[in-house]
Amino acid sequence: KQEVTQIPAALSVPEGENLVLNCSFTDSAIYNLQWFRQDPGKGLTSLLLIQSSQREQTSGRLNASLDKSSGRSTLYIAASQPGDSATYLCAVRGSTLGRLYFGRGTQLTVWP
Amino acid sequence: EAGVAQSPRYKIIEKRQSVAFWCNPISGHATLYWYQQILGQGPKLLIQFQNNGVVDDSQLPKDRFSAERLKGVDSTLKIQPAKLEDSAVYLCASSLDNQETQYFGPGTRLLVL
Repeated sequence: KQEVTQIPAALSVPEGENLVLNCSFTDSAIYNLQWFRQDPGKGLTSLLLIQSSQREQTSGRLNASLDKSSGRSTLYIAASQPGDSATYLCAVRGSTLGRLYFGRGTQLTVWP
Repeated sequence: EAGVAQSPRYKIIEKRQSVAFWCNPISGHATLYWYQQILGQGPKLLIQFQNNGVVDDSQLPKDRFSAERLKGVDSTLKIQPAKLEDSAVYLCASSLDNQETQYFGPGTRLLVL
């Protein structure tokens, strides 16, 4: 069974810092990996999706990398802002029809 | 484009009572998902529909949970009878197809007393 772990569980940083969130998974036979953002009381918003054949994806100040062989992904957030405060979730899909396996998330707080 | 709609947003019931949640996916999305998210954990898939057929319900507690997707559009998730451990946020998501990005609704927060 696929296990997804996210480190750290919580992170508090001042505005302007560059930061890295980590995600690891136990079964490297994945179809794709997604990073989501979850705001309190709201659903999940997809940030980046990386196919298993890709090494990274970028969107604005966000960059996600994937090392499938080592079972790791990182989400890099440049020049963090208070509006980035949320819980960030990593999820892997094991096959074309497979379910998403989620980590517990990293709760990020960016203070002014 | 309208997003995924869910109702109610909040529900408080006593254990052994019944409850139902409703989801309206994005128009044209063939795949619909129900997730359970317990506080402090990531979402766990309960059931996945492709149009009105079930693709994966291996993690659905079928003795108390049931779900249907009539006409391949709206879906309802029911719990009967509820237990204390069912307290969670129930998220509905949809995607164009099962390989595409999933779009999530705001969720229904259930508290079982």
